[in-house]
Amino acid sequence: DTAVSQTPKYLVTQMGNDKSIKCEQNLGHDTMYWYKQDSKKFLKIMFSYNNKELIINETVPNRFSPKSPDKAHLNLHINSLELGDSAVYFCASSPQGARFYEQYFGPGTRLTVT
Amino acid sequence: AQTVTQSQPEMSVQEAETVTLSCTYDTSESNYYLFWYKQPPSRQMILVIRQEAYKQQNATENRFSVNFQKAAKSFSLKISDSQLGDTAMYFCASVLGAGSYQLTFGKGTKLSVIP
Repeated sequence: DTAVSQTPKYLVTQMGNDKSIKCEQNLGHDTMYWYKQDSKKFLKIMFSYNNKELIINETVPNRFSPKSPDKAHLNLHINSLELGDSAVYFCASSPQGARFYEQYFGPGTRLTVT
Repeated sequence: AQTVTQSQPEMSVQEAETVTLSCTYDTSESNYYLFWYKQPPSRQMILVIRQEAYKQQNATENRFSVNFQKAAKSFSLKISDSQLGDTAMYFCASVLGAGSYQLTFGKGTKLSVIP
């Protein structure tokens, strides 16, 4: 029944490691997003895919690479993790058409880099 | 470009009372959408209410209503009959129309409902 799901919900790892966060939506939406929420709770978009095509690519380090194998999935891979990558990462999705602006969020993944 | 400003980092309200959270925004576009999202301690982002800029009537959802002042670029959220479950971070956000996909968030207001 979960609309937008993310795995894992918590991720603790050491500096220098490579990790992935997975996102899946079962809403039939065409557009998916990754947001980063920092320690001060500020939310900022990182990437957006529409029908597997990258449409938003904000200024993020190229250690972050999104991958969309199909329009229901958008994964986030992070190479060479740094302390500053510690944050909560949210996946979201939105439909096509008149309600394109309604974004539905996943539960978030809290990443802690030690 | 859009900016969204929430000038109240923290607020508190007594249970059953009414509270208003402020938000101002800046955009040169005429077609846009405004939202309030709630983030309780569970971390889940929940859409509370939305307003289309072309609609003059203020949106309402049960105990939640907005005061949309387009000329002043103001979009405040009123919570009536506050409940303990309303304790959360509240984020004001905007997205441009015409197929723009980018949600721009304010920095949030932490609301505490006091029993």
